[in-house]
Amino acid sequence: DVKVTQSSRYLVKRTGEKVFLECVQDMDHENMFWYRQDPGLGLRLIYFSYDVKMKEKGDIPEGYSVSREKKERFSLILESASTNQTSMYLCASSFGLLADHQETQYFGPGTRLLVL
Amino acid sequence: GESVGLHLPTLSVQEGDNSIINCAYSNSASDYFIWYKQESGKGPQFIIDIRSNMDKRQGQRVTVLLNKTVKHLSLQIAATQPGDSAVYFCAENIEGGSEKLVFGKGTKLTVNP
Repeated sequence: DVKVTQSSRYLVKRTGEKVFLECVQDMDHENMFWYRQDPGLGLRLIYFSYDVKMKEKGDIPEGYSVSREKKERFSLILESASTNQTSMYLCASSFGLLADHQETQYFGPGTRLLVL
Repeated sequence: GESVGLHLPTLSVQEGDNSIINCAYSNSASDYFIWYKQESGKGPQFIIDIRSNMDKRQGQRVTVLLNKTVKHLSLQIAATQPGDSAVYFCAENIEGGSEKLVFGKGTKLTVNP
C-alpha cells in the first residue's frame, strides 16, 4: 500500500510565524504535490515537484515556498503565516513518467492549520 | 477556471440503493480520469480510474462511465452502504501535459439507513 504521511494533523499558529508542514511518502514516487482545500473551492495546487531539488509553482503559490532535499520528503513553508492561510493542507505523491497510471495521486491525511 | 465540475453538490440515498455521481469536464484533450472518495477529516482516497480509450470500467461495487461525446463522467456505486457516505471528487489529466490533475469541487453523498 502507498503511504503518505503528514507531520501534524492539527496545527495552531500565530500571524507572522514561520510554519513548516512536512510530508513523507514511502513508495519511491517521483512526484509530490501540496494542495490546500477550502469549502466551496475544492483542492487548489500550491506547489509540486518532479524530482529532488525541483519545484514548480501551482495555481496559488503566493505566500508559500517548498523544499525537496530528499526524494521521499516534500516540505511546505509558510514564511509569515496569515489568517487567510487557515485551511486544510493536503500532500500527495505519484509515480514518475515511466510508470503506468503515472498521474494517479495518493494523498496523505491532511493537516488542518489554524492561523490566529 | 476549472475544467472539471459536478452537476450536483449533494446526493442523499437510502442504504441498499444504487448511487450515481456525475461529473462534467470541458477539456476534450483530457485522457485520464480518476474518482476519489474523501471521508470527513481524511485525505482523498483513490477509488477507480479510466482512460479515454475506454467507456466503462468496473471495480468492486463501483463502475465508472465515460461519455466523451458529451464530456461526461459518472461514478456508480452499487448497493450503497453507510460507509460510502463521503465527498466524491472527479479529477482529470490533460493529455500531453504534466502529471497535474484538475479536480472538481466534489459531491457529498449521504447514505440514510
